[in-house]
This record gives sequence, structure tokens and C-alpha cells, in this order.
Amino acid sequence: QSVLTQPPSASGTPGQRVTISCSVSSSNIGSHTVNWYQQLPGMAPKVLIYSNNQRPSGVPDRFSGSKSGTSASLAISGLQSEDEADYYCAAWDDSLNVVFGGGTKLTVL
Amino acid sequence: QVQLQESGPGLVKPSQTLSLTCTVSGDSISSGGYYWSWIRQHPGKGLECFGYIYYTGTSYYNPSLKSRLTMSVDTSKNQFSLRLSSVTAADTAVYYCARALIGSTWYYFDYWGQGTLVTVSS
Repeated sequence: QSVLTQPPSASGTPGQRVTISCSVSSSNIGSHTVNWYQQLPGMAPKVLIYSNNQRPSGVPDRFSGSKSGTSASLAISGLQSEDEADYYCAAWDDSLNVVFGGGTKLTVL
Repeated sequence: QVQLQESGPGLVKPSQTLSLTCTVSGDSISSGGYYWSWIRQHPGKGLECFGYIYYTGTSYYNPSLKSRLTMSVDTSKNQFSLRLSSVTAADTAVYYCARALIGSTWYYFDYWGQGTLVTVSS
């Protein structure tokens, strides 16, 4: 069972703003920063957000991240059909092991 | 452009050792600044990180896999490798290699291989 808990699914219509949550259930992760990855069907994951709210070069500013205490969120504004994918949060634990959330399947209606 | 490519057998028998190699192009592993990692994804499931290794050989292993895991680096070939012993059907997954950019309080995997499916079956 993952110590990073995500809803299994989320949905929205084109143009809408959607958020995906990531709840940290382990005290040895709560102090560490959270990353978000997007995985399109049949593809390797791609980083969208690192260090809670930083976007790597090339990631559209429609994607934003936040973290408060033991809860993190990914927000996607101006939802597009190409955003339909699986989204994973990830974090370090105190032993420097990388742990991933179970993933959220985003459907664009 | 940095590219990573996994290679190795697609079929491994139970109890044997799974061996994969990741060949890096567009960057030198020994240039430093990055860690190199293996991540797997069970069919239809989430992601699991094995750990990561620096070009010097310094490594961090996932505690749940540590007893069966060996990671290594070959700077002369610009490759890094994974060996997972005593495999079972539960090790059937898509295996990705990835580059990890690590800062003082943050990290992320910025480049990934395309992934290779490894099936454990007799």
C-alpha cells in the first residue's frame, strides 16, 4: 500500500480547471518535497512539477503544484484533450528512497 | 539530446537473475551532476523505484528490494546496469531507466528510457 495516496480517477471537460490530490500518510515523507509526473498511454512518465511547485523548462504554465503540510496538489487549468493521462505524485522518504503514489487516471470528457 | 535505452532479455525464468543495461547517449555518465536510476511498472499498476547510482558507484537502494538488488555503472561504455536475483512472477513489469537530477532538497527524473517489458515465466 502506497504511503502517497491519490484518488484513482479524476475528470473534467475541456477548458475546465481540475486538481489531483496526493496525501502523505507517512511521517518520514511529510517534510520532503513532492514531484508530479504525467504518463501518456504507452509512454514513459514525464516530470511536470518538482520541489512542490517548480516547473521544469518546457512544461506549460497550465500545470501548477502546491503542498501544505502532508497534502500536495496538482492543478491543471485550461484542460485539453491531450491532458488525458495518468498522473503520479512522488517524494523521497527519510532513507532517500523514492516513493510514488498509486496514480490518478485523468479523463477529459 | 539525452537519450536512454534499456536492453536485456524480455523473458526470465523464475528463480533466475534479471539483468538489464541502460545505454546513455547525449551525455556522459562520468560528467557528474546526475544520478542514474531504475524504475519499474507492473502491468496496469503504479511505479516503483529501485534506487539510484552515481558514476562513482555510490548508490541508494530501495529497502524492500535491497536483498536481491545490485546496480552498477560502466563509465567506459556510458552504461549502467540492474541485476535482480531470485525473480518470481511478481517481478514481471516494464522496466525503465532514468536520469535523476538531484538538488539539496529536491530531485526529479528528467529523462527516461522508453521502457522494456520483462516477463518472468518458465
